[in-house]
Amino acid sequence: GAGVSQSPRYKVAKRGQDVALRCDPISGHVSLFWYQQALGQGPEFLTYFQNEAQLDKSGLPSDRFFAERPEGSVSTLKIQRTQQEDSAVYLCASSLGIRGDTGELFFGEGSRLTVL
Amino acid sequence: AQSVTQLGSHVSVSEGALVLLRCNYSSSVPPYLFWYVQYPNQGLQLLLKYTSAATLVKGINGFEAEFKKSETSFHLTKPSAHMSDAAEYFCAVSPYEKLTFGTGTRLTIIP
Repeated sequence: GAGVSQSPRYKVAKRGQDVALRCDPISGHVSLFWYQQALGQGPEFLTYFQNEAQLDKSGLPSDRFFAERPEGSVSTLKIQRTQQEDSAVYLCASSLGIRGDTGELFFGEGSRLTVL
Repeated sequence: AQSVTQLGSHVSVSEGALVLLRCNYSSSVPPYLFWYVQYPNQGLQLLLKYTSAATLVKGINGFEAEFKKSETSFHLTKPSAHMSDAAEYFCAVSPYEKLTFGTGTRLTIIP
């Protein structure tokens, strides 16, 4: 596709449910990022992939959060046993990832998760 | 470690007036600096970026920003505000691809 595509755009979950959020990056983009944006805040880094390798997961807030990109393209962010504090917009971004690239990220529209 | 501070969570300007959104950075290495804009219910869109070339950077929609190392600042300006500029603006810093964002400034344009 022409841009980064995320689904679902909106997800309402009951506390304790598991959710899965999908990101389809721009074709050919090597790098993929997940960010969490709480209401009224800036995006906070969660995790980073280069192709299928997860190179940095330092931002994942707990072991309930898990991300994968098995074939180096589509990525899924999974949140187990959701809690109310997980309510946020989850942004996916991709970039060319070429060595020396100055790091322009292309963002999707986000998946808004509301945990009741 | 890198960080950015955006001064003013809300800024209101009249249509046609100067827009000035402030960003100060902290970085242990020469930074790359970015401004992104976010319209309601949309993802972030790159306005402009500084990558150690010219200190005055021009971006889309008439915006520009000046990198001032002595002040550790990267303020965003536009000479004449337009109603379509109403949005949330984020400053970000990175040594390479992993961006660290500020908390954002919501820009309101007064007709």
